[in-house]
Amino acid sequence: QSALTQPRSVSGSPGQSVTISCTGTSSDVGGYNYVSWYQQSPGKAPKVIIYDVNKRPSGVPDRFSGSKSGNTASLTISGLQPEDETDYYCCSYSGSFVFGTGTKVTVL
Amino acid sequence: QVQLQESGPGLLKPSETLSLTCTVSGGSISSHYWSWIRQPPGKGLEWIGYVYSSGTTNYNPSLKSRVTVSVDTAKKQFSLQLSSVIAADTALYYCARVFSDPIIPAAFDIWGQGTMVTVSS
Repeated sequence: QSALTQPRSVSGSPGQSVTISCTGTSSDVGGYNYVSWYQQSPGKAPKVIIYDVNKRPSGVPDRFSGSKSGNTASLTISGLQPEDETDYYCCSYSGSFVFGTGTKVTVL
Repeated sequence: QVQLQESGPGLLKPSETLSLTCTVSGGSISSHYWSWIRQPPGKGLEWIGYVYSSGTTNYNPSLKSRVTVSVDTAKKQFSLQLSSVIAADTALYYCARVFSDPIIPAAFDIWGQGTMVTVSS
């Protein structure tokens, strides 16, 4: 069970959009619609911001959106804000859970 | 509002058994999956395993031979045991509630604050 592959870092200016990819296989990301995304601020526990590929929990701003194509899931942050600068992890359930390698988002 | 709190020893020697407990407050422990996740310093998240309130378990294949996750519904607690620890088991250990959709474990919706466990001789 290998970790899902995410880019190490992505960056964008305030107001821009950034997209984080999460690549797995047909046995995890590609085979099931149980992809979730987590935002982790320094020294804090992760917080779920997307589940079931594209659903947002109550209270999560609608500038966060999720999608999936084949074996790759994506998290898009539209209208990037300074407080979005932190780490993001994807996760997939396919009989067991596997996390992505994590992506650092930098707001320029 | 459901809250989770981890507890247990913070320092272990190699070959010892790590034992952590997560206490659930503000809600029911029944009809939910409960999970353990860890994060080595400066690294990413790793799922360890989960237990359903009935006692059914599922573990990360890479840790399965050393892991036991159990639940005590009367005490509203679930626990992690990791045997034969090594330095690579040094990590921040989180407990979390698993959101089910509707019966399939889908995401981790509530997390504890985490407890640091260091393995060192």
